Amino acid sequence: NAGVMQNPRHLVRRRGQEARLRCSPMKGHSHVYWYRQLPEEGLKFMVYLQKENIIDESGMPKERFSAEFPKEGPSILRIQQVVRGDSAAYFCASSLGSSGYEQYFGPGTRLTVT
Amino acid sequence: QQQVKQSPQSLIVQKGGISIINCAYENTAFDYFPWYQQFPGKGPALLIAIRPDVSEKKEGRFTISFNKSAKQFSLHIMDSQPGDSATYFCAASMPYSGAGSYQLTFGKGTKLSVIP
Repeated sequence: NAGVMQNPRHLVRRRGQEARLRCSPMKGHSHVYWYRQLPEEGLKFMVYLQKENIIDESGMPKERFSAEFPKEGPSILRIQQVVRGDSAAYFCASSLGSSGYEQYFGPGTRLTVT
Repeated sequence: QQQVKQSPQSLIVQKGGISIINCAYENTAFDYFPWYQQFPGKGPALLIAIRPDVSEKKEGRFTISFNKSAKQFSLHIMDSQPGDSATYFCAASMPYSGAGSYQLTFGKGTKLSVIP
């Protein structure tokens, strides 16, 4: 299956711990986007990355959140010192480099902070 | 303010009926309008998309109608089936021009229930 892969699918962290969410884009896609979905809400953009570059992080909280997309390996969304308000579904999407328009989503990581 | 407003919040349709979901946007720089379907516990799946140079696009039972002057677009699901029961999201994005580009701005979703 050449779809977007995310892991883990479910992640439970205690307040103050770190959460690392991983995303492998579709084969041939070099652009990755992270979105957050709160219960009963639409998805909110967080960050847009290309290999080794953060292109747009305008939706990312200024503190505790960071993202990377290294030359080799998956994209990582890192949340330090998690708080209960970070509990949400985090989705990764990928697109082809040239168009950037058709974004295909992964199954998401459901983060629960206890 | 980049916003996409979606209605209704929930919709119940009889099997075989037409489901209609509406969205309105404010930013005239938006030039790409996709619809996504999401089942519980799954990621959003791209259903159909339109650009403002056409007023309608049809793929199977799914049709997008687009009204550029009114800044509105809608999804029509013909012959709705119980398997269509899901949450539908409209979204919009703009061409690359620096920060804010390509990101999808989503509506809040419509929960569709198709009853037999």
